[in-house]
Order: sequence, then C-alpha cells, then structure tokens
Amino acid sequence: GAVVSQHPSWVICKSGTSVKIECRSLDFQATTMFWYRQFPKQSLMLMATSNEGSKATYEQGVEKDKFLINHASLTLSTLTVTSAHPEDSSFYICSATDSGVFTDTQYFGPGTRLTVL
Amino acid sequence: AQSVTQLGSHVSVSEGALVLLRCNYSSSVPPYLFWYVQYPNQGLQLLLKYTTGATLVKGINGFEAEFKKSETSFHLTKPSAHMSDAAEYFCAVVRATNKLIFGTGTLLAVQP
Repeated sequence: GAVVSQHPSWVICKSGTSVKIECRSLDFQATTMFWYRQFPKQSLMLMATSNEGSKATYEQGVEKDKFLINHASLTLSTLTVTSAHPEDSSFYICSATDSGVFTDTQYFGPGTRLTVL
Repeated sequence: AQSVTQLGSHVSVSEGALVLLRCNYSSSVPPYLFWYVQYPNQGLQLLLKYTTGATLVKGINGFEAEFKKSETSFHLTKPSAHMSDAAEYFCAVVRATNKLIFGTGTLLAVQP
C-alpha cells in the first residue's frame, strides 16, 4: 500500500525557534497533502491543504504566517512552525492522496511530536 | 455541513467479545464515510470506507461497518475482539474538496 513518511518523528525545541517537519510520499505521487494537529486525547484537526506548486489553503483560525507550508514536489511537503511557543506543542500528522478524487483514501504519516520548551 | 459524532469515548470489551463502535453522521449530501485506527504515537491507518454501492463494507483486521441512511449511522463492528485491536478509532466524513472531518475518537480497550 501507499506509504507516507514524516521526519523527524519527534523534536524538542526552545521557545522562539523554528521547526521544519517533512512529509514524503514514498511510492506514489501526492497531488494533495494535508496537515493536521492532534492534542492529547483529542481528535485530528485539519490545519491546511497543500497542492503541489500552489499556495496552501489554511483552515479558519490557523495562522498561515506561523505555520508555513511548502509543497515543492509531488512527493514532499514541509510544515515549518515559526517562532514556536509552548502552546504549539502537539502531534502533527500529514496525509496524502494520489488523485484529485475527493472520495479517495488519505494515507497518513506516522506523525511528529513537537515539544516546545 | 458534514460532521460525525462518535458515542462513547471509551469502550472496553473482553477478548473474544463483539466490538461495536458507534458513529452517526450529519450530511446535506450523500456522505462518504471512513473508519481509521490509530495506535499509540502513530499516524492513522484506514480500516474501511464507504463511498457508494454495497452498504455493508468489509475492512482490514476483520472489521466491518454498515451504512444505514435511515439511521444516519456507520457503526464499526468486529465479531471477536483481539488484544491487538486495542487502539483509538476515528470515524470521518469527507467534506467538500477532499477534506476529512473526524469524530472525537473512541478508545477501545480489550481485557484478557
């Protein structure tokens, strides 16, 4: 089946620094990638949708200048948390689809746990 | 607007017993529904999905779900629970433009 990887799997950083998280589709071309965040014992909340070669679409309430998303190729999307603060600590998960069909399956990465001190 | 509600944030069953995880949806258009499973500190794995056609959908690991339009439900079942089924389960519905809206999740515990 389709595999999506994320790197790093966990990261600890100091408040005020920026952190980049990579999401890669390993065996398919991802026309669309999604970024979610998940707080402890809560559900996934969609942050943004990114399509290769175009600007990401952010969900209401998500600061696009704080969560920078780049989808430079059909196999790679990156999420950069800029000037991270403790409240940004969360589990970030990406997913990818290989077609534009909205019923298509999203394949999820294993997630990245971010801890901001 | 599409949404899903999962009844019961925690469900505990004995090994070998029936697993029933409840999901009700709200949708103004024919819904496309998914069940995902999440093991600790991992991403989500698709169990099964309903788009069109047969209302009883079979998935991986012996799970199945039945789409019931009259009840706006898409409950997940498994005849006999295994210890390895212990995980968190999320029901989801597709919103327009391929966006998934997740329920709040149900944590399944399997007792020996």
